[in-house]
Formats: sequence, C-alpha cells, structure tokens
Amino acid sequence: AQRVTQPEKLLSVFKGAPVELKCNYSYSGSPELFWYVQYSRQRLQLLLRHISRESIKGFTADLNKGETSFHLKKPFAQEEDSAMYYCALRVSSGSARQLTFGSGTQLTVLP
Amino acid sequence: GAVVSQHPSWVICKSGTSVKIECRSLDFQATTMFWYRQFPKQSLMLMATSNEGSKATYEQGVEKDKFLINHASLTLSTLTVTSAHPEDSSFYICSATLSGQGGYGYTFGSGTRLTVV
Repeated sequence: AQRVTQPEKLLSVFKGAPVELKCNYSYSGSPELFWYVQYSRQRLQLLLRHISRESIKGFTADLNKGETSFHLKKPFAQEEDSAMYYCALRVSSGSARQLTFGSGTQLTVLP
Repeated sequence: GAVVSQHPSWVICKSGTSVKIECRSLDFQATTMFWYRQFPKQSLMLMATSNEGSKATYEQGVEKDKFLINHASLTLSTLTVTSAHPEDSSFYICSATLSGQGGYGYTFGSGTRLTVV
C-alpha cells in the first residue's frame, strides 16, 4: 500500500530564511505527487503538483524517484507562508483516483 | 474557479442520533467525490470514494452501515453518520474532482466539525 511520510510536525523559520518541508513516499507504481496548503481557518487547497514542474508563491518541489522524495522548498520564507502543508500521493484504483495524505507539517514563519 | 460547498460547518448532536453532511459542487459537475476524516493534529484519512449514480467504495475499516454515502447527482453527495457516538466526533471533509480532469482537479470543502455528546 502507498504511504506518505512527513517527518516534521512543526517547523519554524525566520522571515527571509530558506525553508524545506520534507516528504517521502512509498509506492510501487509511478507516483503522482502534490503539495496542499491549508491557511488558518481556510480550506485545503492545491499548492503545486510535480507534473507541472511549476513554482507557486515561490515554492518549488522536485520529485526524486531515487530517494522517493518530494520535498517542498522556498528560498526566502515570508510570514504569510505560515500554514499547514500536506504532501499527497495520487494512486489509481479502478475508475477512482484517490489521494493519500501525509500527516502534515505546520510551518511558522517568524518575523 | 471550482467551488465545493460543505454544510453544515459544525454540528453538535446527541449520542444515538443521525447527522447528515452535504457536499455540493457549485459550478462544476463532480463525477467523483471523496470523504475524509481528520482527527485533531492528524492527517486526512480517506473514508470512501463516491461516484455519481453508484455505490460508494469504502476504505478498509470504515463501516458502510454507519457512514452512509449518497451521490445521487453530479453536484451533490451526502454523508450520513448514523447512530452517532462520541468516538465519531471528528472533522469531516469532502472533495470533488472535476469531470474529465486529472489530479489537479481536486477541490475541497471547508469541512464539518461534528461533536457527539
């Protein structure tokens, strides 16, 4: 069965410092990976997905199949980046395509 | 953009009663909806996958007779917690996929906080 691991429950950095949120996965098939973000009192929303290889709000994430990782990075953290971040893996199961979430990392960017 | 409306946002009910949670896609047709449960400080755990017009597929360990899911139309799925007990207290979240979209087509509801007393 697939699994997503986010080893850090809490992460604090100072404004302007680089930040990396770790995500490792285990899946026997070809993975599709996503990062979701949940700001305080808001719903979960997609941040980025590995297929598009995009940078959203300064965040990037590279899929490393050798290390089975999909770490989220930003070179200069901002206070508005403070939120809960979830790494997610998509699998195909019949006609449905389900997401498996990691346990989440609460990022706090200090002034 | 795509919006999923989930209602109610919070509910308190007595033990033994049933509670219905609605999940509506407001401006798109959702062929598939997912129901998640989230305990405090824990991740979202998939409970079931619901396809319009067919029976829901439940994850292992989720009681289908307790968590009734109905997906009668392309814009509405409901989760009914039957004979609720305090251990059912949790945060329930639905998400919907846009018809024909790939993985980035997941849109989440704002969640429902259920407290059973």
